Amino acid sequence: EAQVTQNPRYLITVTGKKLTVTCSQNMNHEYMSWYRQDPGLGLRQIYYSMNVEVTDKGDVPEGYKVSRKEKRNFPLILESPSPNQTSLYFCASSLSAQPNTEAFFGQGTRLTVV
Amino acid sequence: TQLLEQSPQFLSIQEGENLTVYCNSSSVFSSLQWYRQEPGEGPVLLVTVVTGGEVKKLKRLTFQFGDARKDSSLHITAAQPGDTGLYLCAVLPWAGGFKTIFGAGTRLFVKA
Repeated sequence: EAQVTQNPRYLITVTGKKLTVTCSQNMNHEYMSWYRQDPGLGLRQIYYSMNVEVTDKGDVPEGYKVSRKEKRNFPLILESPSPNQTSLYFCASSLSAQPNTEAFFGQGTRLTVV
Repeated sequence: TQLLEQSPQFLSIQEGENLTVYCNSSSVFSSLQWYRQEPGEGPVLLVTVVTGGEVKKLKRLTFQFGDARKDSSLHITAAQPGDTGLYLCAVLPWAGGFKTIFGAGTRLFVKA
């Protein structure tokens, strides 16, 4: 089954404790993204990747890192999480970065930083 | 200021009513997408519109892309409780590399 898998689904952590949220897709997609979703603000793109070893900042990259060592995986790293990073996070993938390409989303990771 | 302004932010209606939600911008786009997100899930693509003035129908949902390709609307006929969800529009702007921009969404609740 074609899918985007994120782990974990829920995470509660303390300020400053490094964490990684994993994302994997099995569709051989080139374009992958991370978003955060906050009430009233919709989805905001954190980072995106055009292909292996090619990543770039989205609209809200501060406090986050990503890597794309393999085509299928695109982990999101919070080196020193802070409470303002409490949010619902989504990973997405699409065949390419063309504007009319469908994005497939994971089920989300709800992160709470205390 | 958001690149994409969606209105209304929230809509609560009775089953069987019709409704229209909007996605507006001052920028021109090559295409625009509508997604629906249900609670606890990621967004799922409903439609992509690519031509100015284009109208696409998906059962009881009608999508229109503005003639100038700056705005779009989604009309639902005879809404049902299963239409409940967050409706999001999204674009890949001309400028700014290959970022994807989403609107804040319209949260629709259809009461039985």
